[in-house]
Amino acid sequence: AQKITQTQPGMFVQEKEAVTLDCTYDTSDQSYGLFWYKQPSSGEMIFLIYQGSYDEQNATEGRYSLNFQKARKSANLVISASQLGDSAMYFCAMREEFQGAQKLVFGQGTRLTINP
Amino acid sequence: NAGVTQTPKFRVLKTGQSMTLLCAQDMNHEYMYWYRQDPGMGLRLIHYSVGEGTTAKGEVPDGYNVSRLKKQNFLLGLESAAPSQTSVYFCASSYSTSGRSLSYEQYFGPGTRLTVT
Repeated sequence: AQKITQTQPGMFVQEKEAVTLDCTYDTSDQSYGLFWYKQPSSGEMIFLIYQGSYDEQNATEGRYSLNFQKARKSANLVISASQLGDSAMYFCAMREEFQGAQKLVFGQGTRLTINP
Repeated sequence: NAGVTQTPKFRVLKTGQSMTLLCAQDMNHEYMYWYRQDPGMGLRLIHYSVGEGTTAKGEVPDGYNVSRLKKQNFLLGLESAAPSQTSVYFCASSYSTSGRSLSYEQYFGPGTRLTVT
């Protein structure tokens, strides 16, 4: 079963609009963390934002915010006032225990295109 | 700080050839990881290391070996490359985690694009 599900393979948004990228997760752990990474066409993985399962407030980092709904097991990324440079692949990931260490489990990603 | 660096950036191998990918980090991180990314997919964990001299298998370890002789370096080896190993390889590192210290970010290198013909 998919542990991280990103249901939007691609999204097209007008510049300056807000955009929400969906992410749902599956875990039975009480303690976990959720991440969003951006991967531009150049290929590097850029950390955007993190939400811990015990965090009571939604995480925010500049134009990025994470809409964390624990009961629904969703961790959607919201980008306000989108810019052309936001065009990229976006990956949701969950930290989980793995053989005594921790690993990230990634979703399949959403390709976001910002139109001028 | 250079962060996480990977060499080489690109490589083309013939089936059966061997090679080693090098990952180096200058952040004094305990944990290091190797992932692969195939088209249309997220990253999958190949091997990881929780400290110098220790390594462990991830989700997709077959066909790969790793070594961590120095804390700052994590090597990924392909002994006999196969076309199925054509992929982009990412190295990452992080601080160790403890208890409820959940805010751990993995810092990624720029990736190595490997093609096996």
